[in-house]
Amino acid sequence: NAGVTQTPKFQVLKTGQSMTLQCAQDMNHEYMSWYRQDPGMGLRLIHYSVGAGITDQGEVPNGYNVSRSTTEDFPLRLLSAAPSQTSVYFCASSPGTGGGGYTFGSGTRLTVV
Amino acid sequence: AQRVTQPEKLLSVFKGAPVELKCNYSYSGSPELFWYVQYSRQRLQLLLRHISRESIKGFTADLNKGETSFHLKKPFAQEEDSAMYYCALSGWGGSNYKLTFGKGTLLTVNP
Repeated sequence: NAGVTQTPKFQVLKTGQSMTLQCAQDMNHEYMSWYRQDPGMGLRLIHYSVGAGITDQGEVPNGYNVSRSTTEDFPLRLLSAAPSQTSVYFCASSPGTGGGGYTFGSGTRLTVV
Repeated sequence: AQRVTQPEKLLSVFKGAPVELKCNYSYSGSPELFWYVQYSRQRLQLLLRHISRESIKGFTADLNKGETSFHLKKPFAQEEDSAMYYCALSGWGGSNYKLTFGKGTLLTVNP
């Protein structure tokens, strides 16, 4: 039982490049979310999913796309990277209300130059 | 709209002293409240949730609906408690079940 696995752990992109941050969970959780963590800002929700095939926008969705074709995977796509997207990205999953909260991955540290 | 406020960015105490990390929330309904801890550049770990009423690592938190607060307390702080603490809330079920975080409090426990 690996929990929530994020890849890569570190990434450097040039402005304008695109990439996909991978997130996979093996706990059969329905709910999955992506957050970005910036100094002094806490964690802000980018996109979330309440089940396979269902996604919705969070607080800061601009510049990011998601899809949820399976229960296990929830990739985050950066369409055209900008320096403002330099951040640490966390993926999380949960079985739902009363199920014990969200379990977080170890994060992806992204730098856009 | 749901909002979590942690008024202290930094909190510094000495080992053995009591510690209280404040959290206030705004939510139209009955939220589920959590405390998460993040040790130096590691992943967030769930510390407490209000519905379980557990005590983890000596920490407790009581939901006060009248004051809309969920303060985290520990009677005797330890050096290993030094970390970033985040208060978070979610609604119940469906699209309401997404976490909103406060901006965090960095706790430093001095020897």
